[in-house]
Amino acid sequence: AQKITQTQPGMFVQEKEAVTLDCTYDTSDQSYGLFWYKQPSSGEMIFLIYQGSYDEQNATEGRYSLNFQKARKSANLVISASQLGDSAMYFCAMEDSSYKLIFGSGTRLLVRP
Amino acid sequence: GAVVSQHPSRVICKSGTSVKIECRSLDFQATTMFWYRQFPKQSLMLMATSNEGSKATYEQGVEKDKFLINHASLTLSTLTVTSAHPEDSSFYICSASLGDSTDTQYFGPGTRLTVL
Repeated sequence: AQKITQTQPGMFVQEKEAVTLDCTYDTSDQSYGLFWYKQPSSGEMIFLIYQGSYDEQNATEGRYSLNFQKARKSANLVISASQLGDSAMYFCAMEDSSYKLIFGSGTRLLVRP
Repeated sequence: GAVVSQHPSRVICKSGTSVKIECRSLDFQATTMFWYRQFPKQSLMLMATSNEGSKATYEQGVEKDKFLINHASLTLSTLTVTSAHPEDSSFYICSASLGDSTDTQYFGPGTRLTVL
């Protein structure tokens, strides 16, 4: 069965510094998608970045990049130049073969001024 | 693009009443929508997959007679919590997929249900 693991319940980062949020996954599928979402205190889930299992390049979207290491089954999110508005819960998710999203337990990021 | 709305954002109801939550894709058509439930400080748990024009597919442990899902059009899915009880109090959030090559799901803003 597919599984997503986020081992960091909480993280601190100083404003303007970079931070890496860890995510490992387990699947027997050859084709899969990996996603990162941000959930601020308002509750909405904001899509950040996507990585396909066959993509050879690491995905990037502005200040977000995904460090995809397929052999290690990891898909860490890197946020560069952290801003106060980045403080939120971050969820890693994987799409299974039936197009369902399986979420990790989340990491709460707090950006310090 | 890819905007999903949800209504209402908050609802408080008495135990035993039914509550309907609407999920709309505003600028795209979605043949598939998803309903999730999130308890405080926990992750999202998929409740059901809503398919336009057909019956929803419920996850194991989710009572289909309690959580009625209707996906009558390509832009609207509704979740009705029937005979709500305090333990149904939760954050309910829907998503819709563009159906593109990434199958990215875009989420609505969520509905916080409180059952007294």
